[in-house]
Amino acid sequence: EDQVTQSPEALRLQEGESSSLNCSYTVSGLRGLFWYRQDPGKGPEFLFTLYSAGEEKEKERLKATLTKKESFLHITAPKPEDSATYLCAVQNFDGQNFVFGPGTRLSVLP
Amino acid sequence: GAGVSQSPSNKVTEKGKDVELRCDPISGHTALYWYRQRLGQGLEFLIYFQGNSAPDKSGLPSDRFSAERTGESVSTLTIQRTQQEDSAVYLCASSPPGETQYFGPGTRLLVL
Repeated sequence: EDQVTQSPEALRLQEGESSSLNCSYTVSGLRGLFWYRQDPGKGPEFLFTLYSAGEEKEKERLKATLTKKESFLHITAPKPEDSATYLCAVQNFDGQNFVFGPGTRLSVLP
Repeated sequence: GAGVSQSPSNKVTEKGKDVELRCDPISGHTALYWYRQRLGQGLEFLIYFQGNSAPDKSGLPSDRFSAERTGESVSTLTIQRTQQEDSAVYLCASSPPGETQYFGPGTRLLVL
């Protein structure tokens, strides 16, 4: 059974304090790993898709990396507007279903 | 263009009543997904539609839950005889074949 775990559950950073969020997964055959951002009261917003180990993608202060067992979302010099819950999901080749992790709640304090 | 829309945005109902939630996907997106998100929790897969194929209903928690989709357009999620544990945000997402999902804003359901 495909599984996704995320750590830490919650993270508080000072503005400008860089850190990383972890997504660990087990999947029968990885088709893609997805990162989303979710603000309170809203649906998840797509950030990145990673398809193979060694792949990296960047967007503003965020960079996502992928290995065969986990993905990291690196946040460089975060700002208060980066505060949100970050969700990780995997999709396998057997079907189209997405399995989501529980998320990491990030708070960036000014 | 318009994103995924869901209605109603909020629904309060009494235990035992039936509710119907609606999702309008992005035009041209053949795949449509329903998820449930309880307060402070991750997304729980409910059901997946892909074109005219038989839907993947493996995530539906009980036979009180059902969903329909007409072609590649609107989908409705129906919960019969609602229970208090059904209280959650119900999220819909759509995607082109093999691509990432785009989510709607969700319907917040409260069962009293």
